[in-house]
Amino acid sequence: GNSVTQMEGPVTLSEEAFLTINCTYTATGYPSLFWYVQYPGEGLQLLLKATKADDKGSNKGFEATYRKETTSFHLEKGSVQVSDSAVYFCALIKPGAGSYQLTFGKGTKLSVIP
Amino acid sequence: DGGITQSPKYLFRKEGQNVTLSCEQNLNHDAMYWYRQDPGQGLRLIYYSQIVNDFQKGDIAEGYSVSREKKESFPLTVTSAQKNPTAFYLCASSITEGYTFGSGTRLTVV
Repeated sequence: GNSVTQMEGPVTLSEEAFLTINCTYTATGYPSLFWYVQYPGEGLQLLLKATKADDKGSNKGFEATYRKETTSFHLEKGSVQVSDSAVYFCALIKPGAGSYQLTFGKGTKLSVIP
Repeated sequence: DGGITQSPKYLFRKEGQNVTLSCEQNLNHDAMYWYRQDPGQGLRLIYYSQIVNDFQKGDIAEGYSVSREKKESFPLTVTSAQKNPTAFYLCASSITEGYTFGSGTRLTVV
């Protein structure tokens, strides 16, 4: 079946540091890949997505590139801010039989300190 | 503005009681989902519904029940058969790959 593995946290960085959160996936064919962000006490918000190999998703300074050869979708940001403190989820959708179910990784908690 | 509303935000349940979590959407989405979130476990799918009057079990459906009598509404009942119900519950709706999530209900057994 489909699965997503992302690096375990928590991750603590100083403001303006470089961020990488690793994500790899297992799925047949060509799934769509997503990063969601969850701020404390809230639901999930879509951060970025990519739907085919070599696509780069980007938003709010975050980027991730769909790498088919390494089945990866690592999240990066060049300079994190305190406001980026949240839990980040990597996820995939492998459409089938009219269903678009998300499969999530376990989440990585990021804390950014001033 | 369109969105998903979950209520209540916090819910306390005594052992042996059933409780119902509300989820309402005005996005005209056909599909709706319930997820359970525990620390370090990510999000696990409880139930989902692709159309009115139809729903399917997810990965952890035991101890839960749902109904989908209206397109806008997908309530989740946590029954007394659920042995460890304390968790954060998230509702979502989608049209193809575009998901919208509610702000969640935190359920605590006291």
